[in-house]
Amino acid sequence: DAGVTQSPTHLIKTRGQHVTLRCSPISGHKSVSWYQQVLGQGPQFIFQYYEKEERGRGNFPDRFSARQFPNYSSELNVNALLLGDSALYLCASSSGQGALYEQYFGPGTRLTVT
Amino acid sequence: RKEVEQDPGPFNVPEGATVAFNCTYSNSASQSFFWYRQDCRKEPKLLMSVYSSGNEDGRFTAQLNRASQYISLLIRDSKLSDSATYLCVVNHSGYALNFGKGTSLLVTP
Repeated sequence: DAGVTQSPTHLIKTRGQHVTLRCSPISGHKSVSWYQQVLGQGPQFIFQYYEKEERGRGNFPDRFSARQFPNYSSELNVNALLLGDSALYLCASSSGQGALYEQYFGPGTRLTVT
Repeated sequence: RKEVEQDPGPFNVPEGATVAFNCTYSNSASQSFFWYRQDCRKEPKLLMSVYSSGNEDGRFTAQLNRASQYISLLIRDSKLSDSATYLCVVNHSGYALNFGKGTSLLVTP
């Protein structure tokens, strides 16, 4: 079975631009979470969506937004890019919503902002 | 105080050695606990969930001490392929995983 897929794998943008990252969860999984990982740090939680509704939001500015579609895929949007947004953006899927559900990560999108 | 704290290492050990990683967490309401493994420039991969009774998966043993808010991972008979960063992960919100910075392991021939 296919795991979590993300696109694109790499992206280079300039400051002030907008970016959209995409994620498809494992088949049958209804929950998608987004994380940001900067070099040398563990991933930081951005959003979780379950059954197309936002279930949790991390400490990120309003420039970050996301949505989940009826097929449970998800998009992460970042507006007005800053140099500090350069990071690996990870999507994780789980079969349900709650602490006991294990989250499985996709390969990530590496975003570079110049 | 960070929510999840780990010794960053690096831990350099010879093949066949036993190595232990420790992790502490600050939120006593934490509900679930995990160890993930991350290879350089790759995504984190779930190594194992950690239960209060302790659990073992082959050469890997994880322990949880809720009273001390402490989690450990023991790797026996280290292999070259075990070289990676090991991330201690806690979930106290019900949705967000809280990651430590990771502990770097290098297994040498």
